[in-house]
Amino acid sequence: DIQMTQSPSSLSASVGDRVTITCRASQSISSYLNWYQQKSGQAPKLLIYIASSLHSGVPSRFSGSGSGTDFTLTISSLQPEDFATYYCQQSYRAPYTFGQGTKLEIK
Amino acid sequence: QVQLQESGPGLVKPSETLSLTCTVSGVSVTEHYWNWIRQPPGKGLEWIGNIYYTGSTNYNPSLKSRVTFSVDTSKNQFSLSLSSVSAADTAVYYCARDLGTGIVLLDPWGQGILVTVSS
Repeated sequence: DIQMTQSPSSLSASVGDRVTITCRASQSISSYLNWYQQKSGQAPKLLIYIASSLHSGVPSRFSGSGSGTDFTLTISSLQPEDFATYYCQQSYRAPYTFGQGTKLEIK
Repeated sequence: QVQLQESGPGLVKPSETLSLTCTVSGVSVTEHYWNWIRQPPGKGLEWIGNIYYTGSTNYNPSLKSRVTFSVDTSKNQFSLSLSSVSAADTAVYYCARDLGTGIVLLDPWGQGILVTVSS
C-alpha cells in the first residue's frame, strides 16, 4: 500500500494567517492527490483534486501544489470556518489511502 | 443535487455480520463507482472499497476476506456487508460517490453512521 504522511499533525493559527499543510507519499503518485476538509461531527468534503484543481464551490483562498511524492495545501488567509481537520488522499493506486490528518485549531 | 444516506443497525455483536445500505438520490447508481470509507472514533479515514453497478468491485486487501458489496439498481442503493466483526470494526461508516473518470474523487459523502461492535 502507498503510505501517506501529513505534517504537522496539528496546527494552531489565527484568522488571517497563511497556513501550509504538507503531505508526502511513500512512492511517486504523479499528481493523483486529493485534499478533503472535515469539520467536527461532519463528513469530509472534497477541496482539491489532482493536486491543484479547486473543486466546485471551494473558496479561492485554498490552493494545492506538488507532484511525485511531495504535496502542499495552502490556505492564504484563514477564515473562522476553515478550522477543521484536513486529509490528503492518493488516488493513484488502490487501496486509496489517506494521510492521518492535520487538525487546524484556533490560536 | 446528489445526496447519499447510510442506514443500518448501530450496534452489532462480535463475530456477527455488519450490514449497511447507502441510498442515493439525485443521480442513478448506474452512472458512477460507489465507495465505502470508515473512520474509527477519533482516528483517520480508511477506504474500504468501491463497486460499479455491473458488480465490478475493488476491495481494500486489509478487509477483502470479510467484505462484500452489492448494488440494487431498482432501489438506487448499494450495500456493504462485513463479516466476523470485532471491536476494531467500530467506526463511523461513510458512503461516497466517485466523481472522477479514471481517478478517484470522493464527492459527495453521506453523513455517516456510527456502528459499534459490542456484546
